[in-house]
Amino acid sequence: QVQLQESGPGLVKPSETLSLTCTVSGGSISSYYWSWIRQPAGKGLEWIGRIYTSGSTNYNPSLKSRVTMSVDTSKNQFSLKLSSVTAADTAVYYCAREKFEDIVGAILNWFDPWGQGTLVTVSS
Amino acid sequence: SYELTQPPSMSVSPGQTASITCSGDKLGDKYACWYQQKPGQSPVLVIYQDTKRPSGIPERFSGSNSGNTATLTISGTQAMDEADYYCQAWDSSTVVFGGGTKLTVL
Repeated sequence: QVQLQESGPGLVKPSETLSLTCTVSGGSISSYYWSWIRQPAGKGLEWIGRIYTSGSTNYNPSLKSRVTMSVDTSKNQFSLKLSSVTAADTAVYYCAREKFEDIVGAILNWFDPWGQGTLVTVSS
Repeated sequence: SYELTQPPSMSVSPGQTASITCSGDKLGDKYACWYQQKPGQSPVLVIYQDTKRPSGIPERFSGSNSGNTATLTISGTQAMDEADYYCQAWDSSTVVFGGGTKLTVL
């Protein structure tokens, strides 16, 4: 059974870059889409972006200018970098495996499984 | 930008049926899925591709999607079903989540 685990600093200073890594265990990272999703305390979910194991990426247009994702198939890991962070970026960050398929012009997608999440606080 | 609207909260008595709605423009032309999130836990997929249940999800969870509304139905609701529920779809090259519905079982 595939499991995901986020790791990275829990505290980032304003204007700096948030960096997180997701390690996939129990299965291969190859031939799947992998996404990052965040959730501010007491609020809803926001998709950040996805990466395919080929390195192809898609980002949320609202965050695109600040997001970079990468994948390391040899380590079964993928990573997130979010630059120029502010307090508004404080959230629990989740990584998840994404099913993504174009079926006759309609996009089929869902996230399963998810990592346990990691809280990142932006503060000086 | 595309929006998915859910009621912020609803309550149901144990054993009764809970129907949580998710509204969006022509949502029935898209695929919808649903997640359950209990306090302090990660979201769990309970319905995908409008109506399908992942392995391990109880049969009391079902979904539908038509017109402008997707619905998650929980039949014979149990105390363990108390949680936040989020709908999700895809539009214009981005993932969209509903705002979430807090389901109280009392």
